[in-house]
Amino acid sequence: AIVLNQSPSSIIASQGEKVTITCRASSSISSNYLHWYQQKPGAFPKLVIYSTSYRASGVPSRFSGSGSGTSYSFTISRVEAEDVATYYCQQGSSNPPTFGSGTKLEIK
Amino acid sequence: EVQLVESGGGLVQPGRSLKLSCAASGFTFSNYYMAWVRQAPTKGLEWVASITNSGGSTYYRDSVKGRFTISRDNAKSTLYLQMDSLRSEDTATYYCTSPRPYVYYPYWGQGVMVTVSS
Repeated sequence: AIVLNQSPSSIIASQGEKVTITCRASSSISSNYLHWYQQKPGAFPKLVIYSTSYRASGVPSRFSGSGSGTSYSFTISRVEAEDVATYYCQQGSSNPPTFGSGTKLEIK
Repeated sequence: EVQLVESGGGLVQPGRSLKLSCAASGFTFSNYYMAWVRQAPTKGLEWVASITNSGGSTYYRDSVKGRFTISRDNAKSTLYLQMDSLRSEDTATYYCTSPRPYVYYPYWGQGVMVTVSS
């Protein structure tokens, strides 16, 4: 199984700050198959970015993604209070589908 | 609007069985693969099983192979997960999802809690 190493495991940021999360895969992944989710406390996960860089429906433009091969990143250009959540990367390139361990974002 | 509504969770003793259901609406159920993803308390997300749109093929994570069975009834637009020989490590919230091309999950149910404990 492809292991996704996410870092950092937690971030404390100020509103308006730029934050970046990294997801490194144990094997190369087609960029079409790397996705990002946001999970707020007590809620189900919400798809934010699919296929590395495409924003899901209704997702604000401050969210973006990039990467290729084994290295991917997820960026919030200006963090807002409503972005407090845990973020997960996920690959569907190889069975079984796997998720990163998550990055918890908190606001100062 | 796509809706996925899970049911059937609860407290069960180790070694016993439980069957989860997921009622789907808002899309043509028979056209799409379906899957179960779980999340143990305070832990991350973990894919459990998937099934093709016809139900002809199924896929499982190693830790549930031989114990869990995913199935579907396209006439009822309902997905199932039969869980046998349950273990404490199966304790989790189970989410019904509908994967799309490139295996991403845009649609999720609200989740159903399964607790395996004596």
